Amino acid sequence: QVQLQESGPGLAKPSETLSLTCTVSGGSISSYYWSWIRQPPGKGLEWVGYIYNSGSTDYNPSLRSRVTISVDTSKNQFSLKLRSVTAADTAVYYCARDIYSSGWRRFDYWGQGILVTVSS
Amino acid sequence: DIQVTQSPSSLSASVGDRVTITCRASQSISSYLNWYQQKPGKAPKLLIYAASSLQSGVPSRFSGGGSGTDFTLTISSLQPEDFATYYCQQSYSSLFTFGPGTKVDIK
Repeated sequence: QVQLQESGPGLAKPSETLSLTCTVSGGSISSYYWSWIRQPPGKGLEWVGYIYNSGSTDYNPSLRSRVTISVDTSKNQFSLKLRSVTAADTAVYYCARDIYSSGWRRFDYWGQGILVTVSS
Repeated sequence: DIQVTQSPSSLSASVGDRVTITCRASQSISSYLNWYQQKPGKAPKLLIYAASSLQSGVPSRFSGGGSGTDFTLTISSLQPEDFATYYCQQSYSSLFTFGPGTKVDIK
């Protein structure tokens, strides 16, 4: 059973960089897409971006200038960095497996989520 | 961007009711539409992918339909554990977008 666990600081200061890591257990990080998705308190879901195990990435255009997703296959982890954060970046951040099979993509495994608050 | 809307935004229903939620895309997305269930304080859970394929382990009372721009999620007989918020998500475009959600609560 694949399990994902987000980790990182729960508080970030305005203008600083939010950094989170997702550790994957119960399966290899290779040969899959891995995404970050966020949810502001009381609001809906927003896809942030994905990485494929080869290192190829794609990001939500609304965040592209500030976001970097990277992968460390030796640790079965992938990470999110979001620069120059503001209060609008306060959200629960989820990592998820982004499976692409038979031509269909969907998020089939999710971490429990981590609340990151941007505040001075 | 492909916009995704849902209706209704909320509904009240009783155990045993048949419930249908609608999702509409701003352009044709073939069958590239997924449905998720989210309970308070929990991560979303995949229910349906490719518009009508039931994810492994999901009860058969959940079903999905539609193609092009109009899609439905139906719960044939609502159970107590089904009270939650439901989101649709398009995967036609690599800029994945979610609907705003439909909250199903107890009448």
